[in-house]
Amino acid sequence: AQSVTQLDSQVPVFEEAPVELRCNYSSSVSVYLFWYVQYPNQGLQLLLKYLSGSTLVKGINGFEAEFNKSQTSFHLRKPSVHISDTAEYFCAVSELGRGAQKLVFGQGTRLTINP
Amino acid sequence: EPEVTQTPSHQVTQMGQEVILRCVPISNHLYFYWYRQILGQKVEFLVSFYNNEISEKSEIFDDQFSVERPDGSNFTLKIRSTKLEDSAMYFCASNRDRGTDTQYFGPGTRLTVL
Repeated sequence: AQSVTQLDSQVPVFEEAPVELRCNYSSSVSVYLFWYVQYPNQGLQLLLKYLSGSTLVKGINGFEAEFNKSQTSFHLRKPSVHISDTAEYFCAVSELGRGAQKLVFGQGTRLTINP
Repeated sequence: EPEVTQTPSHQVTQMGQEVILRCVPISNHLYFYWYRQILGQKVEFLVSFYNNEISEKSEIFDDQFSVERPDGSNFTLKIRSTKLEDSAMYFCASNRDRGTDTQYFGPGTRLTVL
């Protein structure tokens, strides 16, 4: 069975500073990897996903993530954050080759941007 | 841009009552899902649905839960006899194809069981 660990429950950052949100996963088979964002009082929105190919994946709003198979990690980064990036961020995995695609989520990381 | 919608946004019910949470997935999507998030905890998979039947369900999805696509547009989650521990945010999601296709999530229904 897969599992996802987000190492930081909260990350406070100053505006325009860089940020990294950490995600590690565990699975006995190959997986797809996702980062979703949840703004206050809204649903989950896909930021980016890794399916195959280049290990550096670029997403919306200037975010990117790097898949590292040897370290089973998929950390999310942004070089310069804005107040509007304040949200909860969820890392998720799904197994390749299964039927309907079940997502397994991490605990979430609350990103708070301070002016 | 098409989106997944859910109603109601907030449902308050008494323990032991039945509730039905409603979702309208994106119109050309074929796979449908329910997830829940208990306050302060991670988002958990409940059930997936395709071709008018359940594809997979988690151990949370016991006999008190059921899903239905009654009319080709709505996708519902019914909890027959609610318990206090059913209090959570319930998210509906859909996608057009399995595997690589992105799941689109609705805004959620907050269920409070008193």
